Amino acid sequence: NAGVMQNPRHLVRRRGQEARLRCSPMKGHSHVYWYRQLPEEGLKFMVYLQKENIIDESGMPKERFSAEFPKEGPSILRIQQVVRGDSAAYFCASSPDRVLGEQFFGPGTRLTVL
Amino acid sequence: GQQLNQSPQSMFIQEGEDVSMNCTSSSIFNTWLWYKQDPGEGPVLLIALYKAGELTSNGRLTAQFGITRKDSFLNISASIPSDVGIYFCSGGSNYKLTFGKGTLLTVNP
Repeated sequence: NAGVMQNPRHLVRRRGQEARLRCSPMKGHSHVYWYRQLPEEGLKFMVYLQKENIIDESGMPKERFSAEFPKEGPSILRIQQVVRGDSAAYFCASSPDRVLGEQFFGPGTRLTVL
Repeated sequence: GQQLNQSPQSMFIQEGEDVSMNCTSSSIFNTWLWYKQDPGEGPVLLIALYKAGELTSNGRLTAQFGITRKDSFLNISASIPSDVGIYFCSGGSNYKLTFGKGTLLTVNP
């Protein structure tokens, strides 16, 4: 049973470009969460999605950031017109059940904005 | 927003020693989860706690969910070099996890 998969592992963008980060949850998991981690910091919640629905996006910046989890395919975190401050590690987690609370994380995508 | 205070920030110990770290919060959580993160990797779940007062072990690791639901600790017994890494506590309210800033553990062989 494969774990949470994320790609790419490393992504370099110039200011103003778009970044697309992909996440495939563990098999059987229908709940996906995105977190951002700055150097020497803990992870910060961004958004929680179920298939075709955004449940909570309270941690996501209102502009330039969007997320989706389509019926088929991976979840996508999209950052438009990236700025240097977007440089961070972005982690996706999945869970089989929102109530129990256990979330399993992928290896992350390290975004560097030049 | 909710905040977690995790301490200590870092620890440098000798192989074989026991380690203790903890997290406190001004907010109540429904779950406490402890993760370990190696450089360049994602957090790996070590222990999950679901009830106030619960004490759970996973090998050499033991964690407790505080009675007040506002704190938790993690103990590692007889440390080994591969215990090196950053340990994060996280408090869960429904689906949202709030993370501490981590404890960097270094084990000297």
